[in-house]
Amino acid sequence: EAQVTQNPRYLITVTGKKLTVTCSQNMNHEYMSWYRQDPGLGLRQIYYSMNVEVTDKGDVPEGYKVSRKEKRNFPLILESPSPNQTSLYFCASTTGGAYDGYTFGSGTRLTVV
Amino acid sequence: GQQVMQIPQYQHVQEGEDFTTYCNSSTTLSNIQWYKQRPGGHPVFLIQLVKSGEVKKQKRLTFQFGEAKKNSSLHITATQTTDVGTYFCAAFEYGNKLVFGAGTILRVKS
Repeated sequence: EAQVTQNPRYLITVTGKKLTVTCSQNMNHEYMSWYRQDPGLGLRQIYYSMNVEVTDKGDVPEGYKVSRKEKRNFPLILESPSPNQTSLYFCASTTGGAYDGYTFGSGTRLTVV
Repeated sequence: GQQVMQIPQYQHVQEGEDFTTYCNSSTTLSNIQWYKQRPGGHPVFLIQLVKSGEVKKQKRLTFQFGEAKKNSSLHITATQTTDVGTYFCAAFEYGNKLVFGAGTILRVKS
């Protein structure tokens, strides 16, 4: 089944403790992206990647890191999480073709205390 | 960066009534996408519009792209409880950087 898989689905952590949210897609998509969703603010892009080793900042990159060493994986790293990073995170991918939308993962609900 | 403004933020309708959400931009858009997110779920791609004045239909859903390619709308005819969720428009800023509107939350009373 074509899908984007994120792990974990839920995570509660403490301020300053490094964490990684994994994202993997099995559709051979070139483009991958991370979004955070907060009430009233919609989906805001954190980072995106156009291909292996090619990444760029989105609208809210502060406090996050990403890497794209393999085409299928695009992990999101929080080196020193803070409470304002408590949010619902989505990974998404697309081929980038003309009429292709993004396929989203099921989401990761992160709470930083 | 490019922004897409979406209205209304929230709408509560009686089952069987129609529903419309609007998406507006101050700049000309190359194309626009629409997504639906069910409560507790993830966004699901519905459709992409590319051409000026384009109208596309998916069963009870009608999508329009304005002549000037600065606005778009999603209209649902005779809403059902299965239509409940948040509807987002999204537009490409450059490359494949997709920017989302804030979304319209639809609630349907049965």
